[in-house]
Amino acid sequence: DTAVSQTPKYLVTQMGNDKSIKCEQNLGHDTMYWYKQDSKKFLKIMFSYNNKELIINETVPNRFSPKSPDKAHLNLHINSLELGDSAVYFCASSQEVRTHSKDTGELFFGEGSRLTVL
Amino acid sequence: AQSVSQHNHHVILSEAASLELGCNYSYGGTVNLFWYVQYPGQHLQLLLKYFSGDPLVKGIKGFEAEFIKSKFSFNLRKPSVQWSDTAEYFCAVNDDSSASKIIFGSGTRLSIRP
Repeated sequence: DTAVSQTPKYLVTQMGNDKSIKCEQNLGHDTMYWYKQDSKKFLKIMFSYNNKELIINETVPNRFSPKSPDKAHLNLHINSLELGDSAVYFCASSQEVRTHSKDTGELFFGEGSRLTVL
Repeated sequence: AQSVSQHNHHVILSEAASLELGCNYSYGGTVNLFWYVQYPGQHLQLLLKYFSGDPLVKGIKGFEAEFIKSKFSFNLRKPSVQWSDTAEYFCAVNDDSSASKIIFGSGTRLSIRP
């Protein structure tokens, strides 16, 4: 049973198109994230939602719009795709995060969605 | 804002060699520290984490890490590596000002020669 699942795993598209990546977690976690991993493996946080509410938005172009219909889902929609958007996008979830708590911070990642923009 | 530095971009070792991967962070307040591993073609998974208490943390697969507050470091160690340890290793940190914001280092690629 996959804990954090993303679809699609691979996405190849032309510049200028609009695409979406879906993410679902069945762990009962309150917090979900989107991370972008570039070709050099650098992993950068994009968004974080807690109980459907946006709590982190890291200077991401507004072509990227996350949507959380419920706390188990966090989808990522990208408008007007550009070459630089090519990357692997990882969804993750965690329990409510608090410092100095042993339950904090363990992220459970999906398998990633490799986006290639031509 | 905090940042995480991993100075070793690519480490190549032979099986049974000892491993130490460096990780330094910039935040001066209360932090939680993590090491994640990404095996080829797979998603990231947690190796170990430090949140308080004993600064020497033991994780899965024989890995351990030591939190040295005075050096802002959280280096990952393993006394004897195996070929199956070939992977990308990421150090990560969050802090008390923004606990949900978990920042990752740039990663260290570990290649083990059989």
